[in-house]
Amino acid sequence: AQRVTQPEKLLSVFKGAPVELKCNYSYSGSPELFWYVQYSRQRLQLLLRHISRESIKGFTADLNKGETSFHLKKPFAQEEDSAMYYCALDGGGNNRLAFGKGNQVVVIP
Amino acid sequence: DAGVTQSPTHLIKTRGQQVTLRCSPKSGHDTVSWYQQALGQGPQFIFQYYEEEERQRGNFPDRFSGHQFPNYSSELNVNALLLGDSALYLCASSLGSRGYTEAFFGQGTRLTVV
Repeated sequence: AQRVTQPEKLLSVFKGAPVELKCNYSYSGSPELFWYVQYSRQRLQLLLRHISRESIKGFTADLNKGETSFHLKKPFAQEEDSAMYYCALDGGGNNRLAFGKGNQVVVIP
Repeated sequence: DAGVTQSPTHLIKTRGQQVTLRCSPKSGHDTVSWYQQALGQGPQFIFQYYEEEERQRGNFPDRFSGHQFPNYSSELNVNALLLGDSALYLCASSLGSRGYTEAFFGQGTRLTVV
């Protein structure tokens, strides 16, 4: 079974402060991990995936197979980062995504 | 390209009724997945259609069924609606080749069962 856990529901940070969103997963094989973001009144969209090893909008995420984690980080939060963030897992490589409950990030000016 | 489009955007149904939700995939995509997102939860996978067949299914009862048309658009049908079916229903499209390809989501249909 695929399971994704995002422990904090709401995260408030000041502009310029670091942001870290935690994500832990449970899967017996080697999954693909993703972070999706939903800005206010917009649709859910892909932010980044672990296999690409990219930094998108200043965000990075490292897959730690030993700790089964895929935490999202950004060193300096911006107001436009206020959004809902979802961690997701694809265990079979066939676009069947298992999502966590999401983190609401509020960046305080 | 309008991306993934869903209709209707909102609807209200009475318990016991049936509902059909529609999805048009992003241009060039041939696979459609449906998700249910209850309030305060992440999206939960319902099923996926590829080549007009249900390719994968999540842990949802048979009251949830679907269809994919030759133009790759898709419908989600829910019979005998329950109050607990009230949720945002999301459609996502992707390319059907094995291996991950980015899934693009629609804006969703907000279903309220009263």
